[in-house]
Amino acid sequence: GQNIDQPTEMTATEGAIVQINCTYQTSGFNGLFWYQQHAGEAPTFLSYNVLDGLEEKGRFSSFLSRSKGYSYLLLKELQMKDSASYLCAVYGQNFVFGPGTRLSVLP
Amino acid sequence: GAGVSQSPSNKVTEKGKDVELRCDPISGHTALYWYRQSLGQGLEFLIYFQGNSAPDKSGLPSDRFSAERTGGSVSTLTIQRTQQEDSAVYLCASSAWDRGGEQYFGPGTRLTVT
Repeated sequence: GQNIDQPTEMTATEGAIVQINCTYQTSGFNGLFWYQQHAGEAPTFLSYNVLDGLEEKGRFSSFLSRSKGYSYLLLKELQMKDSASYLCAVYGQNFVFGPGTRLSVLP
Repeated sequence: GAGVSQSPSNKVTEKGKDVELRCDPISGHTALYWYRQSLGQGLEFLIYFQGNSAPDKSGLPSDRFSAERTGGSVSTLTIQRTQQEDSAVYLCASSAWDRGGEQYFGPGTRLTVT
C-alpha cells in the first residue's frame, strides 16, 4: 500500500522561509509532486521530483530523498497569498495525495 | 478549451437518486483522473483513465460508483442510489503524461445529497 504523512498545520511570518516535510511509504515509485490548494479552489501543480536532489522554481524549491522516503517543499520570501494547503502526492502503483499541510502566513 | 471543465458546478440531489458528473479534459491529454474531496479532507483517488487501456478503478468506494470515458476525451462519473456520505467535491484532472505527471484540475462539482 501507500501512505503519506505531512504536518497538519504550520504558521510562518511574511518574508520568512518555511519548510514543509512529507514522508511516504509506497510500492513502486514514479515521482513525487507538490500541489497548492487555496480554500475553495482546485489544486494547482507546483513541482515534480523523480530523482534525488533539489528542484528550484522561483521562490519554491522541492527536495527528494528516495532512500529515506522523504521530501520537503521550501517556500522563500513568504507572501500573504502563500496561505494555502500544500499537498504532497506520490505516484507509485497509483496516484495518492497526502492529507495536506495548511500554511498560514501572518503579517 | 483552455483548461479542464466540469459540469454541473453544483448538484443537490435526494438520497437514492442517481447523478452524473461530467468532465471535459484539456484537448490532447491522454490521462484523466477523478478524485473526491470532503470538507477539510485530502483528495481521495477514485479512478484513472489512460488512453484506450483498461481504467484503474481501484479507488472507487463501492459498486454504486462507475465512470466511463468516451472517445478518449469526455468522461462521466455516475453515482447510483446516492447516499449522504457521497456529499463532497468531485474533482477531475487531466495530464499530458501517461503515468502521473503534472495534473491540471477542473473547478470541481460540489455534490450535496439531502
